[in-house]
Amino acid sequence: DIQMTQSPSSLSASVGDKVTITCRASQSISRSLNWYQQKVGKAPKLLIYAASVLQSGVPSRFSGDGSGTDFTLTISSLQPEDFGTYYCQQSYSTLWTFGHGTKVEIK
Amino acid sequence: QVHLAEFGGGVVQPGRSLRLSCAATGFPFITYGMHWVRQAPGKGLEWVAVIWYDGNNKEYADSVKGRFTVSRDNSKNTLYLQMNSLRAEDTAVYYCAREIGRWPLGHFDYWGQGTLVTVSS
Repeated sequence: DIQMTQSPSSLSASVGDKVTITCRASQSISRSLNWYQQKVGKAPKLLIYAASVLQSGVPSRFSGDGSGTDFTLTISSLQPEDFGTYYCQQSYSTLWTFGHGTKVEIK
Repeated sequence: QVHLAEFGGGVVQPGRSLRLSCAATGFPFITYGMHWVRQAPGKGLEWVAVIWYDGNNKEYADSVKGRFTVSRDNSKNTLYLQMNSLRAEDTAVYYCAREIGRWPLGHFDYWGQGTLVTVSS
């Protein structure tokens, strides 16, 4: 199975800060990488697919980059509503896998 | 309007079985692959299973292979997860999700609200 490693596991940042979350795959997955945001008690929400394509309706402060094994999710200017846990997911293998998540807290 | 709704969760004893359902509305169910994803209390997301649009191909996470079976009834727009030989570690909220996009760029654009399965004696 392809293992997905996210870092950091948690972070605390101020409104307006630039935040970057990284995701590393245990083998090359081309650009088959998706990002989701989840708030407590809610289903995940798709933010980015195919490594860098912004899902319709998602604010442009979110962006994704990377290919092969190394990927990043960037929030250019953190907003109060951006708290939650962020997960990467690979869709390259027929056995899909998620990263362990990055919890984002607002200072 | 796309809507997914899971049913069938509850409390079940270890070793017993449970079947979850996911009712889909608002889109042509027969044309989409569907997945199950679970989340243990306080833990991260774990992909469980996928079934292709026609039901002819299925894949499972190693943790459930041989115990869980995913199926679908396209005439009823419903996805199922038959869970046998349940263990305490299967305790989780189970989500169904719609896959969109062609391999290898698939992603989950719609999710249900989840149903809680608790395995306990």
